[in-house]
Amino acid sequence: NAGVTQTPKFQVLKTGQSMTLQCAQDMNHNSMYWYRQDPGMGLRLIYYSASEGTTDKGEVPNGYNVSRLNKREFSLRLESAAPSQTSVYFCASSEGVRGGAFFGQGTRLTVV
Amino acid sequence: GNSVTQMEGPVTLSEEAFLTINCTYTATGYPSLFWYVQYPGEGLQLLLKATKADDKGSNKGFEATYRKETTSFHLEKGSVQVSDSAVYFCALMNMNSNYQLIWGAGTKLIIKP
Repeated sequence: NAGVTQTPKFQVLKTGQSMTLQCAQDMNHNSMYWYRQDPGMGLRLIYYSASEGTTDKGEVPNGYNVSRLNKREFSLRLESAAPSQTSVYFCASSEGVRGGAFFGQGTRLTVV
Repeated sequence: GNSVTQMEGPVTLSEEAFLTINCTYTATGYPSLFWYVQYPGEGLQLLLKATKADDKGSNKGFEATYRKETTSFHLEKGSVQVSDSAVYFCALMNMNSNYQLIWGAGTKLIIKP
C-alpha cells in the first residue's frame, strides 16, 4: 500500500532556482493538499485541491504554484526559490470529512 | 469560524504514567475530530478519529471521546512508553471548512525512562 508518495525526499536549491515537488496518491481521494512545516511549528496550508480540476490558495500561497494534473497527482512548484522557503513540505490527500487526511513522508527542502 | 486549541507543551512524563493532552474546538455544525502523531523526522500519521458526538476513537492504547457538550476531544493513554515520545496534533474537518483540516498547534510529548 503506497498511500501518498512524495518526491524528492531531500533537495538543496540555490536562491533563484526553480523546482517542482511531486505528489501522487493511490487511494482515489478527491481532495489533496500541500503544507509546509517549519522547525518547532505546526502545519501551514499552502494550496489545496478539493477535487480534480480545482485549486485554491491556503494560508501561505505566495511564492508557490500548484497543478492538479489528474485525480492522482498534485504538484507544487517554486518558481524562484528563496531562503524563507527552507522547510519541510508535506502532501496529503483526503477522502472527505469522515476519513481525515493521509500524509506523505515529506520533502526536506533547503534553499541556500 | 472553525478553530482548535490544544495544550501547550512540552509535556514530560515518566514511563508508565497516565497521559492526557487536552484539545477543545470551535466549529459550526458537526465536525469530525482527529488526532495525528508525528515521530521525529517523520510525516504525520492518523492516530485516531471520531465522526460524531459520543464516539470514542482508539488506537495503540490511545483513546479520545468526542464531547459535544464541552466541545472537547482530549487524548488519553493509561500507561505511556518511551516510544510514545512525539508531537501530537488535534484537528477537525468540517463541510463548511471546505474539507480543509483545521489544526491545533501541536503538543510535544517527552517520555523519560
